[in-house]
Amino acid sequence: DTGVSQDPRHKITKRGQNVTFRCDPISEHNRLYWYRQTLGQGPEFLTYFQNEAQLEKSRLLSDRFSAERPKGSFSTLEIQRTEQGDSAMYLCASSFTSGGEDTQYFGPGTRLTVL
Amino acid sequence: GNSVTQMEGPVTLSEEAFLTINCTYTATGYPSLFWYVQYPGEGLQLLLKATKADDKGSNKGFEATYRKETTSFHLEKGSVQVSDSAVYFCALSEYNAGNMLTFGGGTRLMVKP
Repeated sequence: DTGVSQDPRHKITKRGQNVTFRCDPISEHNRLYWYRQTLGQGPEFLTYFQNEAQLEKSRLLSDRFSAERPKGSFSTLEIQRTEQGDSAMYLCASSFTSGGEDTQYFGPGTRLTVL
Repeated sequence: GNSVTQMEGPVTLSEEAFLTINCTYTATGYPSLFWYVQYPGEGLQLLLKATKADDKGSNKGFEATYRKETTSFHLEKGSVQVSDSAVYFCALSEYNAGNMLTFGGGTRLMVKP
């Protein structure tokens, strides 16, 4: 396995612009998670998918955020009308579960800076 | 709701010193517990885990024991190296709640030669 990959690694945008991030999980992993990490803090859960179904969304995920996993493989996270408060590291993790406990493996993250 | 509390850093130690990073948790069910490490400029890496009470997770000389009675999962290492300098995150998940991870705030460890 090549591990979880994320693209881009860095994104600088102006306030009000839309941005989209991509995550490619470890192959055969059926779960994919998105987290957000601000400087000096631990990651916070945003949303997760099992295969192509989005099963949970955090209250942190405002209506400007949308995530998809159309074929149960890669996932995209889009932020519309970005705000300076959206500046953070966006982390993707994947895991395989058959219904019990799982172990999540993280990608390198996408660092977003909103000017 | 679930929460994780870690000792605040930075923790500064000399090489070969003993390390303890405290972690306590609050959970509604029976969580699995994890330690992740983030080296400078890198992503989160799983360091060790424990899935039930009294389990001990271990890896690379680090150990942590799942203590249900004290709701703790303290990270220990007998002799730290400069290469252990990183940020350490304690986390929990519950399989009947989607397995999403709840993280502590992280503890920065700096090891001096």
